Amino acid sequence: DAGVIQSPRHEVTEMGQEVTLRCKPISGHDYLFWYRQTMMRGLELLIYFNNNVPIDDSGMPEDRFSAKMPNASFSTLKIQPSEPRDSAVYFCASSLQGGAHEQYFGPGTRLTVT
Amino acid sequence: GEDVEQSLFLSVREGDSSVINCTYTDSSSTYLYWYKQEPGAGLQLLTYIFSNMDMKQDQRLTVLLNKKDKHLSLRIADTQTGDSAIYFCAESRYYGGATNKLIFGTGTLLAVQP
Repeated sequence: DAGVIQSPRHEVTEMGQEVTLRCKPISGHDYLFWYRQTMMRGLELLIYFNNNVPIDDSGMPEDRFSAKMPNASFSTLKIQPSEPRDSAVYFCASSLQGGAHEQYFGPGTRLTVT
Repeated sequence: GEDVEQSLFLSVREGDSSVINCTYTDSSSTYLYWYKQEPGAGLQLLTYIFSNMDMKQDQRLTVLLNKKDKHLSLRIADTQTGDSAIYFCAESRYYGGATNKLIFGTGTLLAVQP
């Protein structure tokens, strides 16, 4: 298996622009997670899905952030409008078993908002 | 508090043993995990321990769990330069209903000197 795939690997955009991050989980995994990693706050869970349904989005920072999972093999995290403080590495992870157990991470998308 | 805590930095010589420590907060955590993050990469699951175990050994890795003190450690025997990375401990925390999340520590940067 190719593992969790994320695109793009790097994104540089100007403040106010819309940003869309993409993730393809490992085939057969029922859970998908979006995390954000920064020096100041470490690794934070933003939202997670089970069988394409959002279970917990309490970590989504504000209404500018939205996530969708239209099918079992694809998810997006959208930021609109983007701000410099959104600059971070965004990771997608997937797991087969119940929720938190044995999560497999993608390589991440490094987002820079200028 | 709610934080999972780790020391920030550890430096060892190649061939020595490394011990990375972690204190967690939720005594009801079912599993505790160690993840490794190499530069520019996502997190890689190294090993995990079930909460009713005191120790787990996996090749050069030994995990020790002290539930009374909520203390977790990762020992790497015969540390190699390829072990240089950031190591995260994580606890699975149950929030009720279907919500079960991984809470990550701050990460420990392991530097292996040749």
